Amino acid sequence: GESVGLHLPTLSVQEGDNSIINCAYSNSASDYFIWYKQESGKGPQFIIDIRSNMDKRQGQRVTVLLNKTVKHLSLQIAATQPGDSAVYFCAEKDHGSSNTGKLIFGQGTTLQVKP
Amino acid sequence: DVKVTQSSRYLVKRTGEKVFLECVQDMDHENMFWYRQDPGLGLRLIYFSYDVKMKEKGDIPEGYSVSREKKERFSLILESASTNQTSMYLCASRYRDRGHVEQYFGPGTRLTVT
Repeated sequence: GESVGLHLPTLSVQEGDNSIINCAYSNSASDYFIWYKQESGKGPQFIIDIRSNMDKRQGQRVTVLLNKTVKHLSLQIAATQPGDSAVYFCAEKDHGSSNTGKLIFGQGTTLQVKP
Repeated sequence: DVKVTQSSRYLVKRTGEKVFLECVQDMDHENMFWYRQDPGLGLRLIYFSYDVKMKEKGDIPEGYSVSREKKERFSLILESASTNQTSMYLCASRYRDRGHVEQYFGPGTRLTVT
């Protein structure tokens, strides 16, 4: 079955450093992935997405990399700021869901930014 | 901007009570979802709805039911609350169009059952 997982439950980085959050998925047929950010007391918010026909996609200070060979994706945050402190989830479109838009979520990685 | 609102941010109920969690979205989305979020378990899908009066079970539907009488509103019902239903509940919505996979989330309701 499909599963999405993150490698580390917690990541601690120094302010100004780059952060890399990893995620592994199990279904080689998966074709769409999303990263969400959840700040304390709020619902998850969309950060960036990537389709399987791409290896890399960049946003503002964030980059998502997709390695289909090893079924791995990562979220890179450049020059990490205190406001980046949050829980980050990767999510995969559920292939069995046809048009319902179901997503399968990983367990989340807590990013702690040290001043 | 898409707005998904949930009726309560915090809720405390007693074991055995019937609990209603309400979710409203203002973007005319067809699909709506209810998740619960627990430490170490991520987001788990309880139920979803792909149209008015249409619903499907998610991964953990036991102990829950849902209602979708209007397109903008999706309710989660705990028929008889139990302590193991203490959790954060998140509602989400999206367009049915396959080009739009992103789900938009509400702020969550933290439910405590005592």
